[in-house]
Amino acid sequence: SQTIHQWPATLVQPVGSPLSLECTVEGTSNPNLYWYRQAAGRGLQLLFYSVGIGQISSEVPQNLSASRPQDRQFILSSKKLLLSDSGFYLCAWVTVRAFFGQGTRLTVV
Amino acid sequence: QKEVEQDPGPLSVPEGAIVSLNCTYSNSAFQYFMWYRQYSRKGPELLMYTYSSGNKEDGRFTAQVDKSSKYISLFIRDSQPSDSATYLCAMSGLASGTYKYIFGTGTRLKVLA
Repeated sequence: SQTIHQWPATLVQPVGSPLSLECTVEGTSNPNLYWYRQAAGRGLQLLFYSVGIGQISSEVPQNLSASRPQDRQFILSSKKLLLSDSGFYLCAWVTVRAFFGQGTRLTVV
Repeated sequence: QKEVEQDPGPLSVPEGAIVSLNCTYSNSAFQYFMWYRQYSRKGPELLMYTYSSGNKEDGRFTAQVDKSSKYISLFIRDSQPSDSATYLCAMSGLASGTYKYIFGTGTRLKVLA
């Protein structure tokens, strides 16, 4: 069965520090992988999606970047975090349906 | 105009009530319609999945899609406190050569015991 691992679950980082969130998928090959951010009380904002190794599409210009170094690995990064980067980050494997990881709650202080 | 509109709530109902959650959308290219349930501090989980227009029933949950009106609904019968969560509609399809997967903002539901 398909499984998505996302870590860490919770993260508190100071402004200006770097960020690396990792997502891995099991049970499939060549998955379409998505990164979403969910601010408190708001919907899911699509940040990046990837249809294959090295292929990244950005939906919203921002302080974040994404990479797909391996088929089943998707990484969300930032060189310098801003307060506005706080939120709940979700990785998803998307076919017709979306399967989500458990999310990372990031607080930038 | 947003591609998907969903009332954010919160919606509070007594235990046992029938709950109606709705979304409207603007892109007629959408063909797949989903409802996700998200508990606090968790990732969304797929609840219901429908292709094209019609109804689909699963236990206490019924999903309806009206493509002519671009309107989808989720009904919860005999609502329980454990149904308290945020419900997100989602839809997907091929539009202008690009596969799109769009979520509503979610409706917070509280079922009171």
